[in-house]
Amino acid sequence: SQKIEQNSEALNIQEGKTATLTCNYTNYSPAYLQWYRQDPGRGPVFLLLIRENEKEKRKERLKVTFDTTLKQSLFHITASQPADSATYLCALPASGGSYIPTFGRGTSLIVHP
Amino acid sequence: GAGVSQTPSNKVTEKGKYVELRCDPISGHTALYWYRQSLGQGPEFLIYFQGTGAADDSGLPNDRFFAVRPEGSVSTLKIQRTERGDSAVYLCASSLRGASQETQYFGPGTRLLVL
Repeated sequence: SQKIEQNSEALNIQEGKTATLTCNYTNYSPAYLQWYRQDPGRGPVFLLLIRENEKEKRKERLKVTFDTTLKQSLFHITASQPADSATYLCALPASGGSYIPTFGRGTSLIVHP
Repeated sequence: GAGVSQTPSNKVTEKGKYVELRCDPISGHTALYWYRQSLGQGPEFLIYFQGTGAADDSGLPNDRFFAVRPEGSVSTLKIQRTERGDSAVYLCASSLRGASQETQYFGPGTRLLVL
């Protein structure tokens, strides 16, 4: 099964800076990878999906990269705002062809005004 | 409805009791998933329904856990003889067809506390 590593320490940054979160995985290379946002007391909300043949994906202030050689995805939020403060989870298929995602533990992002 | 809803939002029970957690998926979504999330962890898969049938129940931790979806919409997660270790947030998600790479929409979760 897939093992996912996300930094358990919270990331504290100043408003306006770029936040970069890391997701590392072991074992097989997935066909895609997803990023979710989770606010306290709420369920995760899907943000972006990047496929194995895509190096980079953008959506507004969000950018995701996918390096299958390093087995790593980076999640960037540019011009960060206090409203971006949340926990960000990455998720991969549990196994090749699986429709069931395995989630990392998430990294908490705190954007200070 | 506009999104996935779950009831109750909070449930406190005593060790050994039986609980039922309900999930109302987005209308028209055939796929429904249950997850369990402990503090500081990501959601952990429990069971997946495609229509009325459980297509994958490999995540259920033991036979005290059971889930049904009799009419292919609302689902109930049932936990018998609850233990303190069952305390967690139970999340439900739905997606249109359950296909790979499909977006899952999560409910707010039910916070279960077993005393």
